[in-house]
Amino acid sequence: DGGITQSPKYLFRKEGQNVTLSCEQNLNHDAMYWYRQDPGQGLRLIYYSQIVNDFQKGDIAEGYSVSREKKESFPLTVTSAQKNPTAFYLCASSIDGGGGQVPDTQYFGPGTRLTVL
Amino acid sequence: RKEVEQDPGPFNVPEGATVAFNCTYSNSASQSFFWYRQDCRKEPKLLMSVYSSGNEDGRFTAQLNRASQYISLLIRDSKLSDSATYLCVVNDFGNEKLTFGTGTRLTIIP
Repeated sequence: DGGITQSPKYLFRKEGQNVTLSCEQNLNHDAMYWYRQDPGQGLRLIYYSQIVNDFQKGDIAEGYSVSREKKESFPLTVTSAQKNPTAFYLCASSIDGGGGQVPDTQYFGPGTRLTVL
Repeated sequence: RKEVEQDPGPFNVPEGATVAFNCTYSNSASQSFFWYRQDCRKEPKLLMSVYSSGNEDGRFTAQLNRASQYISLLIRDSKLSDSATYLCVVNDFGNEKLTFGTGTRLTIIP
């Protein structure tokens, strides 16, 4: 089946630890995105990548890092510098990074719920 | 002022009724508009795009009012399966970033 997978579904982390969230897609999409969702708030963009080996900061990049070594994969590392990391993390992908008149539809993975203990 | 604002609800609506949500956006240069649906503890999924002329998909109708900078979603003959949170999403021309509203929670009551 084609789609986006995220793992793990639930993740618990001790304060001060770095943790990496996985996101893989087999849709042959060029663009990938990481969002964070907190209760009562809209999705906020952390990082995005329009092409392999390139990525840009979103609105709330501080305390996070990403890599895009392969087209299919866009892992997100939540570092100890992130002050409030407990949240629902959503990865998405689209055919390309937009730039045209209408942005491509973004397809979301099932998400990872991160809890810092 | 938030870039995209929605009434958070909750809207509790009897099955079979018609319900409408509005969403306002602050950037007059916004070009593309969408409604996403998000079920509890799940990922958002695209429900429909919103076109300038308005568009309909079965029981769902989306409309755009550029002068007043709002979009709307109308659900007719609501079903129990329509219970979800509806996210208003806005995009600026040539910008790959989407701006999400906080969502409107809808519960259809049997």
